[in-house]
Amino acid sequence: AQSVAQPEDQVNVAEGNPLTVKCTYSVSGNPYLFWYVQYPNRGLQFLLKYITGDNLVKGSYGFEAEFNKSQTSFHLKKPSALVSDSALYFCAVRDMDSSYKLIFGSGTRLLVRP
Amino acid sequence: DTEVTQTPKHLVMGMTNKKSLKCEQHMGHRAMYWYKQKAKKPPELMFVYSYEKLSINESVPSRFSPECPNSSLLNLHLHALQPEDSALYLCASSQDRQVSYEQYFGPGTRLTVT
Repeated sequence: AQSVAQPEDQVNVAEGNPLTVKCTYSVSGNPYLFWYVQYPNRGLQFLLKYITGDNLVKGSYGFEAEFNKSQTSFHLKKPSALVSDSALYFCAVRDMDSSYKLIFGSGTRLLVRP
Repeated sequence: DTEVTQTPKHLVMGMTNKKSLKCEQHMGHRAMYWYKQKAKKPPELMFVYSYEKLSINESVPSRFSPECPNSSLLNLHLHALQPEDSALYLCASSQDRQVSYEQYFGPGTRLTVT
């Protein structure tokens, strides 16, 4: 069965420190991987995606993610966290049984304290 | 313009009411989506429109009826809803329904069914 896991419900980090939000996946074939962020009372915003190519993907707002095929992971990272990064983060993977559907992880709440 | 707009922002309706949610995008995207999101949960796909035609219905109850009047507009007609239908309803669009294209989300309509 295809799945994506975000093992941490919440991540706490101090402003200025590096942050990592973890994501692991289980799919057959080559995965298409995405990160979205959701601020309170808002829709999701696209951050970055991995389709093919360089394993290190750079996205919006200084975020980046590294595709690791051997560990089936796609962790989201940022070198220096901002209080304004506090939000709900979703990892998603293409549903290999369809070309149109994303399988979302359960979400990780990031809290950056001043 | 990279914005997806949704109206209304909030909606309270009784179980016998009929109401509609509206979504609009002017990015020239050919695929549009409706998602349902419960609190602190990932969004769940409901419908996919591709080139103004209903492409996918994720086994959604008939009390939800989508409509795509033109390439920029997407409606969701609601009738005889249940309290468990209370949720945030998100509209999204993408260049094409192929999942390699990132989706742009609107801010959502928060629906309460009484």
